[in-house]
Amino acid sequence: EVQLVESGGGLVQPGRSLRLSCTTSGFMFGDSGMSWFRQAPGKGLEWVGFIRPKAYGGAAEYAASVGGRFTISRDDSKSIAHLQMNSLKTEDTAVYYCSRPVCVYDGYRLCYFDHWGQGTLVTVST
Amino acid sequence: DIQMTQSPSTLSASVGDRVTITCRASQSIDNFLAWYQQKPGKAPNLLIYKASNLESGVPSRFSGSASGTEFTLTINSLQPDDSATYYCQQYYYYWTFGQGTKVEVK
Repeated sequence: EVQLVESGGGLVQPGRSLRLSCTTSGFMFGDSGMSWFRQAPGKGLEWVGFIRPKAYGGAAEYAASVGGRFTISRDDSKSIAHLQMNSLKTEDTAVYYCSRPVCVYDGYRLCYFDHWGQGTLVTVST
Repeated sequence: DIQMTQSPSTLSASVGDRVTITCRASQSIDNFLAWYQQKPGKAPNLLIYKASNLESGVPSRFSGSASGTEFTLTINSLQPDDSATYYCQQYYYYWTFGQGTKVEVK
């Protein structure tokens, strides 16, 4: 059974940092890309970033709203993906979800998402 | 960026009704569109991918269709368990979602 579990959320002051983790099981993590999404309270879904499998370079890409502040990494030996969030702003307050893609091409192109974690709440406030 | 315009934002229907939700892409996305259902406090759940392919385990009353840049999610014979917010998502170029449609079952 595929499982994804996010952790690391909490209350943080503006300008500070937080690292989220996505612990996975039930599939070949090393062969898979991973993505992060978020949902502000009462709002819709927003893509945050995506990391490719190492077989395809392992590079990460980000939404414009978080680029330069957020970094996704992966530890294939532990089947965990991380989202490092720096210089946090109040508008980063959201539930953050990690998700496993199903990709049409290679390991990172034309991907939809068939499994999601339960989410972890990040609150950025004084 | 590809914009996704979803309508209506809310709808209310009775058990057994057929409901349709529409999503329009700002440019061609070659039918690389998914639909998700999200219940309060829960993660999104994949319903449809590639515009019309039903995800395994999803009830057959859900269906998707496409016509150019316009996409439709249809729920036949609406059930109480279908009360949720539904999102379209394009995955042709990065990922963007529609604004969501909240479905209330009367």
